[in-house]
Amino acid sequence: GAVVSQHPSWVICKSGTSVKIECRSLDFQATTMFWYRQFPKQSLMLMATSNEGSKATYEQGVEKDKFLINHASLTLSTLTVTSAHPEDSSFYICSAGGGRRQPQHFGDGTRLSIL
Amino acid sequence: AQSVTQPDIHITVSEGASLELRCNYSYGATPYLFWYVQSPGQGLQLLLKYFSGDTLVQGIKGFEAEFKRSQSSFNLRKPSVHWSDAAEYFCAVGAPGEAGKSTFGDGTTLTVKP
Repeated sequence: GAVVSQHPSWVICKSGTSVKIECRSLDFQATTMFWYRQFPKQSLMLMATSNEGSKATYEQGVEKDKFLINHASLTLSTLTVTSAHPEDSSFYICSAGGGRRQPQHFGDGTRLSIL
Repeated sequence: AQSVTQPDIHITVSEGASLELRCNYSYGATPYLFWYVQSPGQGLQLLLKYFSGDTLVQGIKGFEAEFKRSQSSFNLRKPSVHWSDAAEYFCAVGAPGEAGKSTFGDGTTLTVKP
């Protein structure tokens, strides 16, 4: 069964609203989670590393104020797309795990469509 | 910095035929290597992984991959493809000690002909 749960799986909203996406580790505690963005027919691009109890680490070119990450517990990280615009429409995927000699576990992704 | 190249954007094979998807990586030492499969609108499912040891790795769904250090490759193979294998396949490289952060290739789309 799934070890990482991501919610919602699909969201459609108007331009200018903020959208929160949740990523939960179900069977284990994750001090680190990762947020990826995937454009159609393209690969996954790492946006940020979410660290429990501290600030997220953002990859170069990712707007920290646009993509707010909160990792308040060992099983939950949230990504909030603030003041979303059509160009933010994408498929967002989270992952957890990947410790020593362990693979990452990916959520099923969230399809975000901004009208 | 690590990088991954998947030379084939799109591959078409007949059902029952063998399959090989290519993956080349760039990394200064021995990396962690992964193959994932993604169906449309879905997340990623791990097919197999290599950390160390035996260079021929067996995965789920009848897939295997071979790590070749001299060629910096980690090609994915399956002896007989099923129609349900049609999907997007991603090779990924992770640096040991980087808390699991992976760099992904651009993916290979597999189409299976009846």
